[in-house]
Amino acid sequence: AQSVSQHNHHVILSEAASLELGCNYSYGGTVNLFWYVQYPGQHLQLLLKYFSGDPLVKGIKGFEAEFIKSKFSFNLRKPSVQWSDTAEYFCAVKAGGDYKLSFGAGTTVTVRA
Amino acid sequence: DTAVSQTPKYLVTQMGNDKSIKCEQNLGHDTMYWYKQDSKKFLKIMFSYNNKELIINETVPNRFSPKSPDKAHLNLHINSLELGDSAVYFCASSHSGSRYEQYFGPGTRLTVT
Repeated sequence: AQSVSQHNHHVILSEAASLELGCNYSYGGTVNLFWYVQYPGQHLQLLLKYFSGDPLVKGIKGFEAEFIKSKFSFNLRKPSVQWSDTAEYFCAVKAGGDYKLSFGAGTTVTVRA
Repeated sequence: DTAVSQTPKYLVTQMGNDKSIKCEQNLGHDTMYWYKQDSKKFLKIMFSYNNKELIINETVPNRFSPKSPDKAHLNLHINSLELGDSAVYFCASSHSGSRYEQYFGPGTRLTVT
């Protein structure tokens, strides 16, 4: 069965610090990759997605992610975080022709002003 | 304009009761989903319907029964509620196929006492 691993459970940063969240998946075939964000009390919103092409994808709010096929990874980055980036971040994978998304366990990011 | 809406937003009920959660999307998508988010924020797919047909049915107690009267609606009915059913339930929708992201509703926080 496919699995998605997010290595960091809780990350605490100061404003302007750089952020990198790890995501690895176990599926060996073609995958579509997503990062979703859940701000406190809100629903999940798409940050960015990768289907094919340039493995470095840029999303909203200054986030980017890099797909490294050989490492089965799709890490999320932001060079300089803001207090408003405090949220739960979820990596998700859709394998081959699957309909369903498989989510990682999420990483709580707390940015201190 | 709300893309994916759920009602109710909060639901508090006693063990043994039967309750329903409704979901509607106005995005013209043909596929809808129900996810359960537990107390540790872990998101897991429960069901998915494509053009009113059930396409994903994960290992979920048969007390949970989804119903899709049309492509824009996917309701979740839960019989004989148990304490362990307490969670946040998210509805989502997408176009069919793996190259489309899912759009999530605001969630329904179910508390069983």
